[in-house]
Amino acid sequence: QQQVKQSPQSLIVQKGGISIINCAYENTAFDYFPWYQQFPGKGPALLIAIRPDVSEKKEGRFTISFNKSAKQFSLHIMDSQPGDSATYFCAASMSAETSGSRLTFGEGTQLTVNP
Amino acid sequence: NAGVTQTPKFQVLKTGQSMTLQCAQDMNHNSMYWYRQDPGMGLRLIYYSASEGTTDKGEVPNGYNVSRLNKREFSLRLESAAPSQTSVYFCASIKRQGSHRNTIYFGEGSWLTVV
Repeated sequence: QQQVKQSPQSLIVQKGGISIINCAYENTAFDYFPWYQQFPGKGPALLIAIRPDVSEKKEGRFTISFNKSAKQFSLHIMDSQPGDSATYFCAASMSAETSGSRLTFGEGTQLTVNP
Repeated sequence: NAGVTQTPKFQVLKTGQSMTLQCAQDMNHNSMYWYRQDPGMGLRLIYYSASEGTTDKGEVPNGYNVSRLNKREFSLRLESAAPSQTSVYFCASIKRQGSHRNTIYFGEGSWLTVV
């Protein structure tokens, strides 16, 4: 079963617009929620991450919003640029030592930013 | 500074053939992982190694075996390849399992096609 569900599957945004990608999780033991960015032919790379003790984290044009009660979190890309065109994955993990840092990934969102 | 290096990058196998995907990291990381990426399914954990000398099954281990050869190297073996194992395989590593202050680094992927 998919413990982390991501939507939409694909997203097309105009340059300068806001891109929003949503994720929902089931396991309340998750306590670390990163977003990864992947360009074609490359491995995923960490973009931004959040812990559930805060509701929002911002790094430049990228913001994570976290709703613990709804078990949802989202990535907002402000002023989207063509260079942001990539596949984005949300993920979740537990900090418990027995599970380590094994990430459970969402299905991925292919973002296209048109010039 | 190579990071996580995977070989080969591309491989075509016939059903029933065996092969080994090699992975090496030069960051002195303790934990290493093998994921597979399939369209619409995100990345799924095959096996992981929390530290040198230990390996554990992930979400989709069937049809695979792994070896943590030393601290640097973690190989993935397909004993009898099947078309369902056609996928992109990513190796990843992290300094210390259980700590979210350490980023997981991914290799650039190995594209495997089983015909």
